[in-house]
Amino acid sequence: DTAVSQTPKYLVTQMGNDKSIKCEQNLGHDTMYWYKQDSKKFLKIMFSYNNKELIINETVPNRFSPKSPDKAHLNLHINSLELGDSAVYFCASSQDRGRVDTIYFGEGSWLTVV
Amino acid sequence: DAKTTQPNSMESNEEEPVHLPCNHSTISGTDYIHWYRQLPSQGPEYVIHGLTSNVNNRMASLAIAEDRKSSTLILHRATLRDAAVYYCILRDRFNNDMRFGAGTRLTVKP
Repeated sequence: DTAVSQTPKYLVTQMGNDKSIKCEQNLGHDTMYWYKQDSKKFLKIMFSYNNKELIINETVPNRFSPKSPDKAHLNLHINSLELGDSAVYFCASSQDRGRVDTIYFGEGSWLTVV
Repeated sequence: DAKTTQPNSMESNEEEPVHLPCNHSTISGTDYIHWYRQLPSQGPEYVIHGLTSNVNNRMASLAIAEDRKSSTLILHRATLRDAAVYYCILRDRFNNDMRFGAGTRLTVKP
């Protein structure tokens, strides 16, 4: 069983479209995250949710909107896609936000905007 | 945020030990040292973490300097599957979320 699963794995779309990436974790964790890895391979945290409540919102354009219907799911909606949004997006989860909590990552969603 | 410094890349031969260094001279007393790695085309995965004492697990060992200003991840026998980017990360009481640096790209030669 995959602990953190994301769909779709690959997504190619045109500029201006709206798309969503779904994430589910079956680990019973309270905290979920979205990370973005750009073409230079830097991993940056975008959002952090704890028990469905937004905790971290880095300087991400408001075209990006996370939605957490329940503790096990954290979806990422992206409106009006731009070329610069092309990246790999990783969902992750951890039991809590403590300094020793292991973070489990999904396999990534490769988004290409053309 | 406390910062870490790692070499951009390292090479190793298969079946040999690998020592991946990390400097964190501004570490505070309550910061934990974490190591994650990212295999090609995969998400990062946990390797090991520690506070003051050296740590061992099935994947690796973590050696922490006495002053805690540096640490070394030790892979005892590198395999081709260990080729990855290795990230050394500090997690502090104020910012518990994982913030990645550039990491060290490890190449393992057969």
